[in-house]
Amino acid sequence: EVQLVESGGGLVQPGGSLRLSCAASGFTFSSYWIHWVRQVPGKGLVWVSRINSDGSDTDYADSVKGRFTISRDNAKNTLYLQMNSLRAEDTAVYFCARGYGGSHYFDYWGQGTLVTVSS
Amino acid sequence: DIQMTQSPSSLSASVGDRVTITCRASQSISNYVNWYQQKPGKAPKLLISAATTLQSGVPSTFSGSGSGTDFTLTIRSLQPEHFATYYCQQSYRTPPTFGGGTKVEIK
Repeated sequence: EVQLVESGGGLVQPGGSLRLSCAASGFTFSSYWIHWVRQVPGKGLVWVSRINSDGSDTDYADSVKGRFTISRDNAKNTLYLQMNSLRAEDTAVYFCARGYGGSHYFDYWGQGTLVTVSS
Repeated sequence: DIQMTQSPSSLSASVGDRVTITCRASQSISNYVNWYQQKPGKAPKLLISAATTLQSGVPSTFSGSGSGTDFTLTIRSLQPEHFATYYCQQSYRTPPTFGGGTKVEIK
């Protein structure tokens, strides 16, 4: 069974940092692109970032470029999102999601982890 | 970025009703549209990819159609478990973008 489990969310002050993790199981993690998608509670879905299967290529939404870094450890079947210079508008539930092949749609999602940026 | 406009933003329907949700892209995206269902407090679930391809395990009550800029998700006979929010998403060009969602509520 494919599983993605996010962790690392919490309350952080504006300007602070947080690192999210996404532990994968039930599939060959190293063969898939993985994405981060976020959702302000009660609002819609917004794509944040993606990384290719071997970690050599990444992409970011303009709103997080230069502040967030996506990475992966294929030996540990784990995806990361390092978030720096956090802003109130980064407050959201962050989902990791498996990309289908090299396409930009998402066939499995984690349950999400809530990040709250507030003083 | 490609904008995806969904309508309606919400609807009320009864069990057994046929429901249609539309999604319009700001430019032609061939058939690169995907549909997700999200229930409160849960992760989105992929229902349909490439405009018309039903995912494994998704009941045939759901169907998708369209190409170019206009797409629809149809629920042939609404069941209690179908009350949720539905999102379209384009995978034609990065960044992938989502519609604003359609909340399907019980009448």
